[in-house]
Formats: sequence, structure tokens, C-alpha cells
Amino acid sequence: DIQMTQSPPSLSASVGDRVTITCRASQGIDTYLNWYQQKPGKAPKVLIYAASRLQSGVPSRFSGSGSGTDFTLTITSLQSEDFATYYCQQSYSRPPAFGQGTKVEIK
Amino acid sequence: EVQLVESGGGLVKPGGSLRLSCAASGFTFTSYSLNWVRQAPGRGPEWVSHISSSSTYIYYADSVEGRFTISRDNAQNSVYLQMNSLRAEDTAVYYCTRSSTYMSSYYGRFDYWGQGALVTVSS
Repeated sequence: DIQMTQSPPSLSASVGDRVTITCRASQGIDTYLNWYQQKPGKAPKVLIYAASRLQSGVPSRFSGSGSGTDFTLTITSLQSEDFATYYCQQSYSRPPAFGQGTKVEIK
Repeated sequence: EVQLVESGGGLVKPGGSLRLSCAASGFTFTSYSLNWVRQAPGRGPEWVSHISSSSTYIYYADSVEGRFTISRDNAQNSVYLQMNSLRAEDTAVYYCTRSSTYMSSYYGRFDYWGQGALVTVSS
């Protein structure tokens, strides 16, 4: 099975900051990588798919990059509604595993 | 508007059974694969099971293989998860999700999620 490792587990940031979250796959997954945002008590919501494609309706301040084993999610100017937990997920092979999450908190 | 609505969650004793249902609307049900994804308290999501659009392909996570059974009724726009021999570690919120494929990814991305059904396994 492919393991997904995110870093950092949590971070504190201010509104307007640029935030970068990293995800590493235990083996190469090409660009079969998705990013989700989850707020407390809610289901995850897909932000980015295929490593860099923006899901319809998602603000352009979210972007993704990477291929192979190393990926990043960037939020260019953090907004108040962006404080949440972010997960990466590989869709290269079964099981389609998620990372353990990165919690973005208010500084 | 795409909607996925789960039902059937609750409290069950270890070794017991439960059946989750997911009613879908707002899209052509027969064109999409569906999944169950669960999330234990304080943990990340965990994929549980997948069923293809015509039920030809069915897959399970190792942790539930042999205990859980996924099925769908395309006439009723519904998907089900029969859970038997439940264990404490099965306690989680269970989400019904839709797969939207891209490139040659079989699972694609989970682009729509239900609100979740809480399953608690405890004596």
C-alpha cells in the first residue's frame, strides 16, 4: 500500500499569509494526487485534483504542484474561511489513501 | 444539485451488524462509481469500499474485507453498506462519496460527499 505523509501536522498563520503544505507519497504516484479541505463537523471538500487542477468553484488562491512523490498545496493569501484541516489523497492505486492531515490555525 | 444522504447509523454492540444507506439525487446515478469513506474521531479519512456504476467491480479495504458488503440499486439511486461482525475500531463517521475520474485514475477524486452517518460500536 502507498503511504501518504503530510507536513507539518499543524501550523499557525495570519490572514493574508502565504501557506504551504507538503505531502509525500511512499512511492511514485505520477500526478494522481488530490487535496481536500475539512472544517469541524463537515465532510471534506475537494480543492485540487490531478495535483494541480482546481476543482470547479474553488477560489484561485488555492494551487497545487508536484509529481512523483512530492506535492505541495499553496494558499497565496489566507482568508478567515480557510482555517481548517487539509488532507492529501492518492488515487494512483488501491487503497486510495489519505494523509494524516494538516491543521491550519489562527495565529 | 448533487446530494448524497446517508442513513442507518447508530450504536451497536461489538459483534453486531448495521446497514447504512445512501440516497443519491441531482446526477445520473448510473454513470458514477460510489464509495464509502469513514473517519474515526480525530483521525484522517479512510477509504472503506468502492462499487462501480454497474456493480461489476467491487473493492474493500483490508480492514473490512469479509465483514462489510457494498451494494447498489440503480433503480432506487441508492448505495448500501452492510456491516457485520462490528468491532470497536469500526467506530467512525461513514461518508458516501462519488468518484469523478480523471486521466486514467480509477478512483479519481471524491467530488461529492454526504453529511455522514455516525456508527458507534460499544458494549
